[in-house]
Amino acid sequence: GAVVSQHPSWVICKSGTSVKIECRSLDFQATTMFWYRQFPKQSLMLMATSNEGSKATYEQGVEKDKFLINHASLTLSTLTVTSAHPEDSSFYICSAGGSGGETQYFGPGTRLLVL
Amino acid sequence: EDQVTQSPEALRLQEGESSSLNCSYTVSGLRGLFWYRQDPGKGPEFLFTLYSAGEEKEKERLKATLTKKESFLHITAPKPEDSATYLCAGGTDKLIFGTGTRLQVFP
Repeated sequence: GAVVSQHPSWVICKSGTSVKIECRSLDFQATTMFWYRQFPKQSLMLMATSNEGSKATYEQGVEKDKFLINHASLTLSTLTVTSAHPEDSSFYICSAGGSGGETQYFGPGTRLLVL
Repeated sequence: EDQVTQSPEALRLQEGESSSLNCSYTVSGLRGLFWYRQDPGKGPEFLFTLYSAGEEKEKERLKATLTKKESFLHITAPKPEDSATYLCAGGTDKLIFGTGTRLQVFP
């Protein structure tokens, strides 16, 4: 299957700082990437759909000014958590592919801890 | 409202004890039914995609089947390394995930 990487794998930051997470599709071009958040013992919650060269589409209840998404190329999407607070601490996972019912391939996830 | 429901929530099996996981779905415009495996602290790993009722796919000890309302993940003679959370998702232009079945296989 296709390979998706994320960087960093974990990050600890102070409240009020911004954190950038990168998601790369290593062996295929992805016009669509997705960003999810997962809290302990819960399933994945879709935050936003990222399309290359256009603005991301955010799910209801997700603040677009807080979670900035950039999809500048067919292999890279970034999620920036701005002015992070402890309640933003979570496991963030990206996926690539999936347009038109195709398979989404997931990255390994980034664990964010905001102190 | 689109919905995907998985059962049971948790399942404990003895090694070699076969069983099935259930995924019920109500998804408008379904384009595919997806199964993933997720280990603790990791991203989901793709297992199967099913597109039409009656379709079956197999991989080692796992077999996925699909009807018009449900999908089943059959695990034959499981081993401890099959322990994980199994996620089912209905696909349209995005994935709608169930809450998962947490499987534990004991030696």
